[in-house]
Amino acid sequence: DIQVTQSPSSLSASVGDRVTITCRASQGISHSLLWIQQKPGKLPNLLIYAASTLQAGVPSRFSGSGSGTDFTLTISSLQPEDVATYYCQSYFGGPRTFGQGTKVEIK
Amino acid sequence: EVQLVESGGGLVQPGGSLKLSCAASGFTFSKHSMSWVRQAPGKGLEWVADIIRDGSQAYYVDSVKGRFTISRDNAKNSLYLQMNSLRVEDSALYYCVKDWTEVSRPLFDYWGQGALVIVSS
Repeated sequence: DIQVTQSPSSLSASVGDRVTITCRASQGISHSLLWIQQKPGKLPNLLIYAASTLQAGVPSRFSGSGSGTDFTLTISSLQPEDVATYYCQSYFGGPRTFGQGTKVEIK
Repeated sequence: EVQLVESGGGLVQPGGSLKLSCAASGFTFSKHSMSWVRQAPGKGLEWVADIIRDGSQAYYVDSVKGRFTISRDNAKNSLYLQMNSLRVEDSALYYCVKDWTEVSRPLFDYWGQGALVIVSS
């Protein structure tokens, strides 16, 4: 089965900073990767699918890139409401696999 | 409006069984794969199982293979998760999630509120 490794596990940044989270798949998954945001005490929320397609209603400061084995989620200008845990997930083939999560906090 | 409503959670002893149900509405259920995802308290998301549109194929995380069975009834717009031989480490909030339909369409865009499963003696 495909494994995904996400890094870092946590980060602290200032409002307005550019934030980058990476996800690496154990084998090529083409563009079959999504990013999910989960704010404390809330349901998970889809941000990006197909590696780089922004889900409707998601602010444009979020973007995704990559293909094959290496992927990136970027927040161009971190906002206080972006405090959350972010997960990548591979959906190449049947089994889906989540990354371990990245907790984003404000410095 | 898409709705996913789970039911069937509860407290069960180790080794026991439980069956979760998910009632779906607001979308063409039969055109989507569906998944179960769980989250233990204070932990990350863990994908548990998914089932393709016609129910003919299913996939499981290794830790539940042979113990859990995912199924669906497209006539009833319902998804199920039969959980047998439950272990303490299966305790979690179990989410029903709308999954893949076709290329270039969103997936994992709708989640139910979750059904709480507690395995404890």
